[in-house]
Amino acid sequence: DAMVIQNPRYQVTQFGKPVTLSCSQTLNHNVMYWYQQKSSQAPKLLFHYYDKDFNNEADTPDNFQSRRPNTSFCFLDIRSPGLGDAAMYLCATSRADGGRDTEAFFGQGTRLTVV
Amino acid sequence: AQKITQTQPGMFVQEKEAVTLDCTYDTSDQSYGLFWYKQPSSGEMIFLIYQGSYDEQNATEGRYSLNFQKARKSANLVISASQLGDSAMYFCAMTSTGGSYIPTFGRGTSLIVHP
Repeated sequence: DAMVIQNPRYQVTQFGKPVTLSCSQTLNHNVMYWYQQKSSQAPKLLFHYYDKDFNNEADTPDNFQSRRPNTSFCFLDIRSPGLGDAAMYLCATSRADGGRDTEAFFGQGTRLTVV
Repeated sequence: AQKITQTQPGMFVQEKEAVTLDCTYDTSDQSYGLFWYKQPSSGEMIFLIYQGSYDEQNATEGRYSLNFQKARKSANLVISASQLGDSAMYFCAMTSTGGSYIPTFGRGTSLIVHP
C-alpha cells in the first residue's frame, strides 16, 4: 500500500561527504517535491519537478541537486553536507490538476545527521 | 504570493475535550485549496482534511472539522474528543493557481493532549 517511499529512513554522513537520498512513488503523479524540515519548523521547499521540468527555489543552496530519471523516482544529492544540512528531508508528490487533486502525498522522510 | 499564518506555537488540551487550531491565509487567487496535515514525532506528514475555496460547506472528516470563514481568510481546524494519539505537530497548507499548486505551509502548531 505504500505510495511514496523514501530511502533510507535514517542517514548518517560525514561532513563534506556526498550523500544521496531517494524517493519513489506508485501514484503516477506528475509533480514531485523535496522539502527540508528542521526541528519545529515548517517544511521548506527546495525544488520540485513538474514532469521533467525542474524548478529550483531561489534560496536553495547550490550544494543541493536533484535528479528525476523517470516518473517514479526522484533523488536528492547533497554534494558537500555541512552541519547545517542536518534535517528531515521530505519527498512529496501531487497532481497539479487543481482543487482536491493538489493534495501532497508524503513519504516517511529521511532524517539526515551530519557528523 | 500566498502565505499561511499559524499564530499558536503550542496548544494544550485535556483528553476528550475539543480544541481549535488557528490558520489564516493570504492569497489573491480566487481558486485555492486549504489542507491540514498532522506530523507525529516519527516525521511523516499525514493528510487530515481539505477545504476548497468554492466549497460552501465546512469540511468534516471524522473527528476533524474545518471552520472555514472565507471573508476573514481563516481555516481553523477543530479536533473533537481529543485523544492522546492526537499529540503531534499540525500544519496548515495552501495550494492555488497563482502558486502553481505548490503547497505552502504555515509554521505549525504543537498540540499536546493531557490525560
